[in-house]
Amino acid sequence: NAGVTQTPKFQVLKTGQSMTLQCAQDMNHEYMSWYRQDPGMGLRLIHYSVGAGITDQGEVPNGYNVSRSTTEDFPLRLLSAAPSQTSVYFCASSASRDRGNTIYFGEGSWLTVV
Amino acid sequence: AQSVTQLDSQVPVFEEAPVELRCNYSSSVSVYLFWYVQYPNQGLQLLLKYLSGSTLVKGINGFEAEFNKSQTSFHLRKPSVHISDTAEYFCAVSDVMDSNYQLIWGAGTKLIIKP
Repeated sequence: NAGVTQTPKFQVLKTGQSMTLQCAQDMNHEYMSWYRQDPGMGLRLIHYSVGAGITDQGEVPNGYNVSRSTTEDFPLRLLSAAPSQTSVYFCASSASRDRGNTIYFGEGSWLTVV
Repeated sequence: AQSVTQLDSQVPVFEEAPVELRCNYSSSVSVYLFWYVQYPNQGLQLLLKYLSGSTLVKGINGFEAEFNKSQTSFHLRKPSVHISDTAEYFCAVSDVMDSNYQLIWGAGTKLIIKP
């Protein structure tokens, strides 16, 4: 059972570099999202998608782009990395946006920006 | 706006002892409530959830939580912890009437099991 797969697991970037965090799910879920997790702050929503071709901003979208060309994939792009983007990033999916649905998380991507 | 407070950042407890992890939310409107667990170097997974009905909710791995509307709390309990329960536990809440379907997360509580 693959579930939600995200890569890379670890990445070090220099300030100003760009990169893409990949995320794929094999559960045919409509809803996908990206969170960042910072110490003492819990999870904060960056961007989300309710289906292919539809994306929207979450709580902390600045500095990030997303696209959803297929149901399975939801990459997160850092346009010009900044030290403030050092964090752990989680991709997640659920059957729909209905909050009663269980959210399935990837294993996380540890990003350090120097 | 809704907010979630997990009162303890860390809870150390001896193996086989009971544990309670506390979660309070700010608004008394109708809510959905969740506990997720994050084992070391893994993603989060659902432990249990309250959507409606009985205020005592049972989850996986012997955990349970009680929804207390008057105290706006959703504390997580386990009568006897095991070393494998070492993890970080996150409480989350969503207002039923929130048209943005926003899920608000607590900062997490690390459960440290002492042998």
